[in-house]
Amino acid sequence: EVQLVQSGAEVKKPGESLKISCKGSGYSFTSYWIGWVRQMPGKGLEWMGIIYPGDSDTRYSPSFQGQVTISADKSISTAYLQWSSLKASDTAMYYCARRPGGHYDYWGQGTLVTVSS
Amino acid sequence: QSALTQPASVSGSPGQSITISCTGTSSDVGGYNYVSWYQQHPGKAPKLMIYEVSNRPSGVSNRFSGSKSGNTASLTISGLQAEDEADYYCSSYTSSSTWVFGGGTKLTVL
Repeated sequence: EVQLVQSGAEVKKPGESLKISCKGSGYSFTSYWIGWVRQMPGKGLEWMGIIYPGDSDTRYSPSFQGQVTISADKSISTAYLQWSSLKASDTAMYYCARRPGGHYDYWGQGTLVTVSS
Repeated sequence: QSALTQPASVSGSPGQSITISCTGTSSDVGGYNYVSWYQQHPGKAPKLMIYEVSNRPSGVSNRFSGSKSGNTASLTISGLQAEDEADYYCSSYTSSSTWVFGGGTKLTVL
């Protein structure tokens, strides 16, 4: 069974760093792209970027380029999304999802990030 | 990259059919057959309903169908049921090798 399991909710202060994770199982982790999607409170889905764990090829939305870093450790089948300096506007639910073609078929349960002083 | 344009809300009575539109440009929806649709219930992760314009994943009801004409894709739900009430998002691959979502449509089953 394909599963993407994300790390738990985080509460951080502005300026702090954070790395959240997405662990894949039930399939060949290095053979599928993993994407990250943001959903701010009460708002829609926003595509942030994507990584191919096989060779760490990464693409970013222009809106998120330079704001976050996407990485992966194929030895433990885990993708990451990280911030070096969080802002209050980063408060959102973040989803990872597997990309087999031009779509996203399996999604993680989401990680809620709250940034507040 | 601008979000794809969807109506903010649509509604229908049980048993009826509704259609949600998703308008982009020739650089996304119109240029590729990589349009997909996702259903999201409150507090839940999105669920893939349609991929590559008109394909249904295994387990998705055949009441859901997709199509595309020019720069506009559409999701049709026939025989509306109470459980279909949710938010629906379209998505498309773009000429920048990125993806873009629509703003989302809230479906209300009256």
